[in-house]
Amino acid sequence: DTAVSQTPKYLVTQMGNDKSIKCEQNLGHDTMYWYKQDSKKFLKIMFSYNNKELIINETVPNRFSPKSPDKAHLNLHINSLELGDSAVYFCASSQRQTGILNGYTFGSGTRLTVV
Amino acid sequence: KQEVTQIPAALSVPEGENLVLNCSFTDSAIYNLQWFRQDPGKGLTSLLLIQSSQREQTSGRLNASLDKSSGRSTLYIAASQPGDSATYLCAVWATPLVFGKGTRLSVIA
Repeated sequence: DTAVSQTPKYLVTQMGNDKSIKCEQNLGHDTMYWYKQDSKKFLKIMFSYNNKELIINETVPNRFSPKSPDKAHLNLHINSLELGDSAVYFCASSQRQTGILNGYTFGSGTRLTVV
Repeated sequence: KQEVTQIPAALSVPEGENLVLNCSFTDSAIYNLQWFRQDPGKGLTSLLLIQSSQREQTSGRLNASLDKSSGRSTLYIAASQPGDSATYLCAVWATPLVFGKGTRLSVIA
């Protein structure tokens, strides 16, 4: 049973295209996150949703738009893709109240390559 | 703003050695600290979670300590094996999880 699953695992696309990455968690967590891991392997928060409400929105270009249809899903849509968007995108989840006991669970990542 | 630093950036040791990975953070107001392992091209696997009220956690050959007042954590790996080769990431939860840049460990057989 996959706890946090992302699709697709790999995504190769041309500059200027629009693409989406999907994330689902079956842990019953109420908070989900998108992290970006750049070419230097540094992981940085992009967005966080708690019960479908946006609670963290770091300085990310507005070409990136997260959508949370319910607390088990958090999708990431990217418009007008640029070369610099190439990275690995990780979805994660936690339970906001008891997360201090259980920590974060991460998906396996989506490797996005913009050509 | 919370910053997490991991030292060393890379480490290569012969099999069987005991080793220590270091993590420091600038703001001691954290909820917990989590150590992860990342294999090349893979996702993150949680190794140990230390709550802010705890001082250490152990799992098998791994032991992690936390000293909030000094803003430090260490991950101790006993009797290292080639299968331990990976990048080890320290992350502190100050809403959200803030990561260090990791320590890339190579254990040579």
